[in-house]
Amino acid sequence: EAGVAQSPRYKIIEKRQSVAFWCNPISGHATLYWYQQILGQGPKLLIQFQNNGVVDDSQLPKDRFSAERLKGVDSTLKIQPAKLEDSAVYLCASSFTTSGRADTQYFGPGTRLTVL
Amino acid sequence: SQQGEEDPQALSIQEGENATMNCSYKTSINNLQWYRQNSGRGLVHLILIRSNEREKHSGRLRVTLDTSKKSSSLLITASRAADTASYFCATLYSGGGADGLTFGKGTHLIIQP
Repeated sequence: EAGVAQSPRYKIIEKRQSVAFWCNPISGHATLYWYQQILGQGPKLLIQFQNNGVVDDSQLPKDRFSAERLKGVDSTLKIQPAKLEDSAVYLCASSFTTSGRADTQYFGPGTRLTVL
Repeated sequence: SQQGEEDPQALSIQEGENATMNCSYKTSINNLQWYRQNSGRGLVHLILIRSNEREKHSGRLRVTLDTSKKSSSLLITASRAADTASYFCATLYSGGGADGLTFGKGTHLIIQP
């Protein structure tokens, strides 16, 4: 079974530029998540999708971050404009939801973003 | 904000010894999960324990959960060099429909040959 795919793996940009990350979840997984992991910390949830609807985006900095999952499969996360503090690894995860709650989340390899 | 706090922050042991990591959290939970992260890699799911369970085993891993103390421990027996990694506990809040996990800062485990 293929895992969660993410691209690109690495991205270096200058502050105030825009950047987009792509995620393809495990086939059949209805729930998709984006996490931000700053060096030395654990991941922090940015947004959760159930199919193509947003379940939770309370920790997403909406003035500069946006995410979509238009057809309920792939997802993109965008930052515009980027700040120095956005330097982090952006992890995508997916899970198969049963009985109304998602269980094990499977993570992709992440995209390491460096903002100069 | 991070809910979980792993203890210790770093642990160095000899190969073959057992490693124990602890996790404390703040809110009521549906389940607690442990993940491993190797340098430069993504997170790998190790084990999930539900709020009505007290202990769970998976191979060389043993997880305990004490909901009255809001704490969990991960025991790795007969450690190997390949176990060198950061270990995170993550909790799923019991209320609401959102399923995002809340992670701690992690324990960095080094297994010395």
